[in-house]
Parts: sequence; structure tokens; C-alpha cells
Amino acid sequence: DGGITQSPKYLFRKEGQNVTLSCEQNLNHDAMYWYRQDPGQGLRLIYYSQIVNDFQKGDIAEGYSVSREKKESFPLTVTSAQKNPTAFYLCASSKRAAQETQYFGPGTRLLVL
Amino acid sequence: DAKTTQPPSMDCAEGRAANLPCNHSTISGNEYVYWYRQIHSQGPQYIIHGLKNNETNEMASLIITEDRKSSTLILPHATLRDTAVYYCIVRVANNAGNNRKLIWGLGTSLAVNP
Repeated sequence: DGGITQSPKYLFRKEGQNVTLSCEQNLNHDAMYWYRQDPGQGLRLIYYSQIVNDFQKGDIAEGYSVSREKKESFPLTVTSAQKNPTAFYLCASSKRAAQETQYFGPGTRLLVL
Repeated sequence: DAKTTQPPSMDCAEGRAANLPCNHSTISGNEYVYWYRQIHSQGPQYIIHGLKNNETNEMASLIITEDRKSSTLILPHATLRDTAVYYCIVRVANNAGNNRKLIWGLGTSLAVNP
């Protein structure tokens, strides 16, 4: 099946630890995105990548880092510098950065204790 | 950036049409209107998008007013599985014109009742 996978579905970490969220797509899409969603809120863009080895900050990049070494993978690291990391994290991809339709993965819910 | 306004919640009877309104009075001429929905604790699902003309696909219809300041998403025969938060989004281009980002509001929580 073609699609976007995120793992794990739930993730628990202690405060002060870095954690990496996985996002993989087999849609052959060039562009990938990371969003954060807080309860009762819309999605906010953290980082996006148009092509391999390139990525740009979104609206709330502080405390996060990404890499794009392969076309199909766009992992997100939540660092200890992120003040309030507990949230629902969503990965998306689109055929090109200028291609509007973004398709989303199932999300990872991160809980920092 | 163009923003959208949606009612926070709506109800619909199962089997009836659900009409979800969206205002986007500051939309620019080259900006599309997108609709996504999100079922609780899942990733958003793309529904439909349009620029000027009305659009229809297997999921829904999108009616855009002639002045493009508002639109309506129509689910012709709502089912219980259509219960979700529906987001109306206007696509925004950055200065370079090479990227697009979606600005998400709070959406409309649609409850389909038996």
C-alpha cells in the first residue's frame, strides 16, 4: 500500500530527553512536512523539506531539528530545548512543494513526563 | 495571509446533506480553498479543493461563491463516519512563490446523529 507511516503511535519520554519521531513515505513525493497539534487547536508548521538535503523552518521550529537524507524519510527530533513538547505530531507529504495537496500520516502522540 | 472563519460546531441527521460554510473574505485571486477533515486522534484527510469553479468528487462537493469570499462544503448523504472536525484552508504562497503552506484554523466540529 502507498502512504505515509509514522511510528510509534504513542511515545513517552522523560523531561530533558531528546526524542526522534519517524516519518516514512512511499509515494515518491518530493516535499515533506512536520506539523504540531495541541488540544482544540489547528495544525502549526514546524519544518518542511522541498527536496533531499534541504529543509526550511516553519512557524514554530525552536526546539526541533530535522534531516532529509533520503527522499522517503523525514525524521523529527524533539530536543530538550522545546519548552512544551507534549503534543500530537503529524507528518505530511506532497508531490512537489508547489503541489498543494498534502497527505498526512496517522500521527504520533508524544507525552513528556 | 488569507484566513478563514468557520462555525465551531454543527449537527446533521444521518442520511441528510451536511452543508459546512467557510468565509475567506481576504482571499487572493491565485489562492485555492482546501478542505480537510480530521477524525479524533487521526491524521487529517484531504477532501477537496478549488479555485473558482464548483468541484465534486466521490467524497463531497465544493461550492465557491462568484466573489470567492466564501465557500460551502457539501456532504450529500452524511453518515456516522463523517463525524469529524472539518477544516477550510486557504493556501498561502510565500514571497518566493516556490512554497505553499497551509494555515489551519480551528475548523467546524460536525456531529452526525442517528
